[in-house]
Amino acid sequence: KAGVTQTPRYLIKTRGQQVTLSCSPISGHRSVSWYQQTPGQGLQFLFEYFSETQRNKGNFPGRFSGRQFSNSRSEMNVSTLELGDSALYLCASSFPEGVGELFFGEGSRLTVL
Amino acid sequence: AQSVSQHNHHVILSEAASLELGCNYSYGGTVNLFWYVQYPGQHLQLLLKYFSGDPLVKGIKGFEAEFIKSKFSFNLRKPSVQWSDTAEYFCAVTASGGSYIPTFGRGTSLIVHP
Repeated sequence: KAGVTQTPRYLIKTRGQQVTLSCSPISGHRSVSWYQQTPGQGLQFLFEYFSETQRNKGNFPGRFSGRQFSNSRSEMNVSTLELGDSALYLCASSFPEGVGELFFGEGSRLTVL
Repeated sequence: AQSVSQHNHHVILSEAASLELGCNYSYGGTVNLFWYVQYPGQHLQLLLKYFSGDPLVKGIKGFEAEFIKSKFSFNLRKPSVQWSDTAEYFCAVTASGGSYIPTFGRGTSLIVHP
């Protein structure tokens, strides 16, 4: 069974630009969550999508947004990038009743210059 | 809302040493507990989990964790570490009956010297 796939793996942007990251979950998983990972801060929850609906949202500004498609693939977008947005963005999929057990992708490492 | 505290941010050990990584959570109700591991250059993966039953949980690669409800703790242990255990370890908690979104600790970086 293929794992969670995230693209692109690495990207460099400049302040003010926007970025879109993509995530393909494990086949059959309908829940997709996004996390921001930074040194010292660990994993900060961004949002979770299930059946194309945002079901949970973390405490991030509106510049961070996401969506989910009918095939469960998900994208997240960050607009007006700031230096502090440099991080590893992780996508994870799970069964809806997985009680928190997540399957992670390798992440998209974003560097904002 | 629940929170997770990992006391050791950086741990350095020699091979064959014993390991114990601390994890405490704050939540008054029933919880599900997890340890995830992130090896260098690899994705986060589940090491072990506790939902209910025996509070001593065994995971992959010889790791185990003990849930002590009275102490709100879920410490990770391994009797003898190997160089290949070098990784970042994250403790996570979800509230039973609530959102399935785990809250993660800040992680512990473990370096094992050969």
